[in-house]
Amino acid sequence: DADVTQTPRNRITKTGKRIMLECSQTKGHDRMYWYRQDPGLGLRLIYYSFDVKDINKGEISDGYSVSRQAQAKFSLSLESAIPNQTALYFCATSSPASGRSDTQYFGPGTRLTVL
Amino acid sequence: AQKITQTQPGMFVQEKEAVTLDCTYDTSDPSYGLFWYKQPSSGEMIFLIYQGSYDQQNATEGRYSLNFQKARKSANLVISASQLGDSAMYFCAMRSLGGGADGLTFGKGTHLIIQP
Repeated sequence: DADVTQTPRNRITKTGKRIMLECSQTKGHDRMYWYRQDPGLGLRLIYYSFDVKDINKGEISDGYSVSRQAQAKFSLSLESAIPNQTALYFCATSSPASGRSDTQYFGPGTRLTVL
Repeated sequence: AQKITQTQPGMFVQEKEAVTLDCTYDTSDPSYGLFWYKQPSSGEMIFLIYQGSYDQQNATEGRYSLNFQKARKSANLVISASQLGDSAMYFCAMRSLGGGADGLTFGKGTHLIIQP
């Protein structure tokens, strides 16, 4: 079984709809992240969380919100989706205790299309 | 602010040849980590190798090695004896190791195609 799972894997929605992307992990890591990837670009950080009580904005947080429901769960919400939020979304986890200086491990991604 | 530059948008390499993917970086942080990830056509991001700024030796992981030249701010990935399955996008990334942990800064990637 995958250590980091994302649901749904694919989603098509309409402009103005609210949508939630979910991430769960069984790695026991305390840090979790959300990134988006646009064609021809690398990943950009949306939000990150050190633990359940800690949420931080990343480079491109406008239009997004997050919820850390438990150590193992981190959700990303688009309150009112717009077409330029069409992208591939990745969740990642890490832990300083795991060595390799807090290497981040990624989920399989969610491909979101906003029409 | 940190910045990663990957100057090779695409590369074609013959199977079994060695490959060098370029990565240069810019940061004012004295302590940082450099990472390489592979993204096959299926889309997942696979961690390949890590190099710390204070590591004395270049990192190696199987067929992957990182040619770290701190003074030149470069962290090139070397793949020895390339295989067809190495065809993928490759991303160089970095993060500061000082203070609180935040996310990775990524380059735009290099699309590597291994030809038989």
